[in-house]
Amino acid sequence: GAVVSQHPSWVICKSGTSVKIECRSLDFQATTMFWYRQFPKQSLMLMATSNEGSKATYEQGVEKDKFLINHASLTLSTLTVTSAHPEDSSFYICSAGVGTDQPQHFGDGTRLSIL
Amino acid sequence: DQQVKQNSPSLSVQEGRISILNCDYTNSMFDYFLWYKKYPAEGPTFLISISSIKDKNEDGRFTVFLNKSAKHLSLHIVPSQPGDSAVYFCAAIGAGGTSYGKLTFGQGTILTVHP
Repeated sequence: GAVVSQHPSWVICKSGTSVKIECRSLDFQATTMFWYRQFPKQSLMLMATSNEGSKATYEQGVEKDKFLINHASLTLSTLTVTSAHPEDSSFYICSAGVGTDQPQHFGDGTRLSIL
Repeated sequence: DQQVKQNSPSLSVQEGRISILNCDYTNSMFDYFLWYKKYPAEGPTFLISISSIKDKNEDGRFTVFLNKSAKHLSLHIVPSQPGDSAVYFCAAIGAGGTSYGKLTFGQGTILTVHP
C-alpha cells in the first residue's frame, strides 16, 4: 500500500513552454502533499506544501508564479512550471503522508529538461 | 544553512560487513528522523525512522541510533549486500510535526557495497 504515482517521468521541451507534473496517491487520501526539487548530486529541497482545497505554502525563495501548485482532490496534486527556462531543468519529486506517525512516501520523480 | 548534514559523500564497504552512515543536525526542534534510500532517476524509498523519545530502532538488517545530546544519528546496515548500493538520505521533521511535517534532507551519502 501507500503508493504515490508521478507523471510524466521525463519531459524534454523547449524554453518558454509550460509543463505540468501530476502526483497521485493511488491507494490512500492525502490532504497534504509535498513538492521537492533535486539538483545533481545535491539534496532534495522542499519547494512547497500542497494542501487540498487551499493555497499551497511555498518555501522561501520559490517563485509562486513560476511554480503553480493545485491540489484539487485528496488524491491529486499538480505542479506546473510556467514558461520554463533551462535553469528550471531539474528532478522534481512529490511525496504524501499516509497518516500520523507514518513516513511520507515518494513518487518516482520527474526529470525535466528544458532546451 | 544546512540543518541536516551528512558529511561523508560516499562510503565503500565489503559485502557482509557493516555499513555505518552518519547524520548530524543542528535544529534542536527536530523530533522525528527518517532514512531514505534512493536510486538514480527514482524517488526516495523509506527505510526506517526513529522518534526523538527513542535512541534505537531496529528493522531487520537496518538499525538507526539517535544521540540527542550530540544531535547525531546513524544508520547501520549489517550484513551489507551489493543490492544496498544506493544513495542514502537522512531526513528530519520539526517538533509538533507528524508525517505531514516538512522533511529537511541531508545531502546524501553514496553507499557502494563490493561483492
